[in-house]
Amino acid sequence: EAQVTQNPRYLITVTGKKLTVTCSQNMNHEYMSWYRQDPGLGLRQIYYSMNVEVTDKGDVPEGYKVSRKEKRNFPLILESPSPNQTSLYFCASSFSSFNEKLFFGSGTQLSVL
Amino acid sequence: SQQGEEDPQALSIQEGENATMNCSYKTSINNLQWYRQNSGRGLVHLILIRSNEREKHSGRLRVTLDTSKKSSSLLITASRAADTASYFCATDVGNFNKFYFGSGTKLNVKP
Repeated sequence: EAQVTQNPRYLITVTGKKLTVTCSQNMNHEYMSWYRQDPGLGLRQIYYSMNVEVTDKGDVPEGYKVSRKEKRNFPLILESPSPNQTSLYFCASSFSSFNEKLFFGSGTQLSVL
Repeated sequence: SQQGEEDPQALSIQEGENATMNCSYKTSINNLQWYRQNSGRGLVHLILIRSNEREKHSGRLRVTLDTSKKSSSLLITASRAADTASYFCATDVGNFNKFYFGSGTKLNVKP
C-alpha cells in the first residue's frame, strides 16, 4: 500500500532532550516536506527536500534539522527541543513538486515539557 | 502573514445541503490545491487547479479559481455526515517547492 509512515504517533519529552521523528515513504517520491500544525495558524512548512542530499528551509526552520541520505527517508531532528515546539507535525511527499498532490503521514503529536 | 486564508472559519449545515468555502490569497500563484483533514489526522488531497484553469470538478466537488480576485471556492454538493472535516487550501508563491496552507474551514454536517 502506498503510504507515508511517521513515527512515533505521540511523543512527550522534556526541554533540551534531543529527539528524532522519522518519516518514510514507499512511493519513490522525490519531494518530501515537514510541517507543523498549530491551532489558528494552519500548517507551516519547516523544511523540504527536492531529492537526496538536497534540502531547503521552509517558513519556520528555526530549531529543526533534517537530512535526506536516502530517497525514502526524511527524518526531522530537534536538537534541543523547547516548549514552543509543542505541536502536531506532519511529513508529506509528492512525486516531484507542487505540481503534484501531496501525500501526508498520520502525524506526530509532540509535547515538550 | 498567511498566503492563503479560508472563509468561513466554521460552517454547520444539514446533510443534503451544499457547502461552500472560500480561499483568498495574496500573491500570484501557479497552482492551488484543496485538502481535507479529519480530526487531527493527515491531510488528504482533494483537487488541484492550475492558474490557467477556472473551474474543475471531481465527483461532488467543484472548485473555481478567480486569479483576478485572488480567490478560490470549494463547493461540496449534497453533503453527507462523512464530509465533516476541516478543509484547507494550499498555494505556492511562484516557488514550486514552498507550500502555504491557510488555517482551514471546519465543516460540520449534521445527520
